[in-house]
Amino acid sequence: QVQLVESGGGLVKPGGSLRLSCVVSGFTFSDYYMSWIRQAPGKGLEWFSYISNSTTYINYARSVEGRFTISRDNARNSLYLQMNSLRAEDTAVYYCARWHYYGSGAPFDYWGEGALVTVSS
Amino acid sequence: DIQMTQSPSSLSASVGDRVTITCRASQNITSYLNWYQHKPGKAPNLLIYAASNLRSGVPSRFSGSGSGTDFTLTVSSLQPEDFATYSCQQSYSTPYTFGQGTKLEIE
Repeated sequence: QVQLVESGGGLVKPGGSLRLSCVVSGFTFSDYYMSWIRQAPGKGLEWFSYISNSTTYINYARSVEGRFTISRDNARNSLYLQMNSLRAEDTAVYYCARWHYYGSGAPFDYWGEGALVTVSS
Repeated sequence: DIQMTQSPSSLSASVGDRVTITCRASQNITSYLNWYQHKPGKAPNLLIYAASNLRSGVPSRFSGSGSGTDFTLTVSSLQPEDFATYSCQQSYSTPYTFGQGTKLEIE
């Protein structure tokens, strides 16, 4: 069955860096666009980045552009998120999600259980 | 950015009730509207895609409707496992925004 498992979350000081990983199984990773989505405490879900299956297309929300970098390794079935210059407002549960870009409605059809990132001094 | 507004923000209901959640987009998103269910500590789960298509394996008591700017998610007869948070999301244009969520609680 399809599985996405995030890792790498933790406590980091403001201005610090962290790298999240998402290992997937149960589908052909190289066929799919992938996204990162987060949920801050008490807030709704926030999409903030996607990467195409061949890494040709990458997009970020303004809230993270210039600080976060999405990447993938299709040989390792892995998605990554490098987060730099972290701020308190980046505190959230971070989800990786498969994006059915070519599907009707283009939904995020499979998600991981999330990794908690806490930015605090 | 396209703003997605859900109502209500929270809802109390009983097992067997019929409930409807509304989602309004700030501009026309045609049918690029998806609904998710999420529970604390669990992966969010896609329920409805393209406004009205039930994802395979999702119980038929869930249904979606609408197009353009106004959408609804209906649960025809609530079951105990349906008490969760529901969010709408548009994939029409970046950033791909979500509604603020509707928390469905047991009355």
